[in-house]
Amino acid sequence: GIQVEQSPPDLILQEGANSTLRCNFSDSVNNLQWFHQNPWGQLINLFYIPSGTKQNGRLSATTVATERYSLLYISSSQTTDSGVYFCVSPLYSGAGSYQLTFGKGTKLSVIP
Amino acid sequence: DGGITQSPKYLFRKEGQNVTLSCEQNLNHDAMYWYRQDPGQGLRLIYYSQIVNDFQKGDIAEGYSVSREKKESFPLTVTSAQKNPTAFYLCASSKEGQVYTGELFFGEGSRLTVL
Repeated sequence: GIQVEQSPPDLILQEGANSTLRCNFSDSVNNLQWFHQNPWGQLINLFYIPSGTKQNGRLSATTVATERYSLLYISSSQTTDSGVYFCVSPLYSGAGSYQLTFGKGTKLSVIP
Repeated sequence: DGGITQSPKYLFRKEGQNVTLSCEQNLNHDAMYWYRQDPGQGLRLIYYSQIVNDFQKGDIAEGYSVSREKKESFPLTVTSAQKNPTAFYLCASSKEGQVYTGELFFGEGSRLTVL
């Protein structure tokens, strides 16, 4: 079936450290997005990145659609980066339809 | 500012009662979605709508109902038939009418607790 695998599932960082989060897809990637869910539950758009590389401050993302993965880089992490990071992409589910598929998320804890 | 507004943020209900969650967007988006999130889990699709007066079931539609009478509004009713309604509910929208062809934006969510 359609799968989105995120790794690592949990990550604890010291403030100031860098990290890389990964998202692997079982099918071709399309319209991939990265979200940060803050402790209050709100999903915040980080990147809309079907392919290539984008940067926004301390965060950057790279998607290699042909190899079915995307990476999210967080540099100089801060405590406010804590939360759960989700990747999501519509994946073909057959009969001409797509299914928006979320990974289970990476839970990031940044400690002072 | 443009965005998606969900209300109420917190809601308590007794077993056997229906409850309606509001979702309003002023982004002029065609498509709207409802998701459910349980603790420590990802998001699961309940219903989605590509245009006014049309909507489709998602993966977990049983026990829920929706309407799309206006482009800006997509309310979700959690009925008494929903066996385990306590959850965090998120509304989203995207510009394009074809589902999943555009960037998704989310509201702040509504947390429903059944007592």
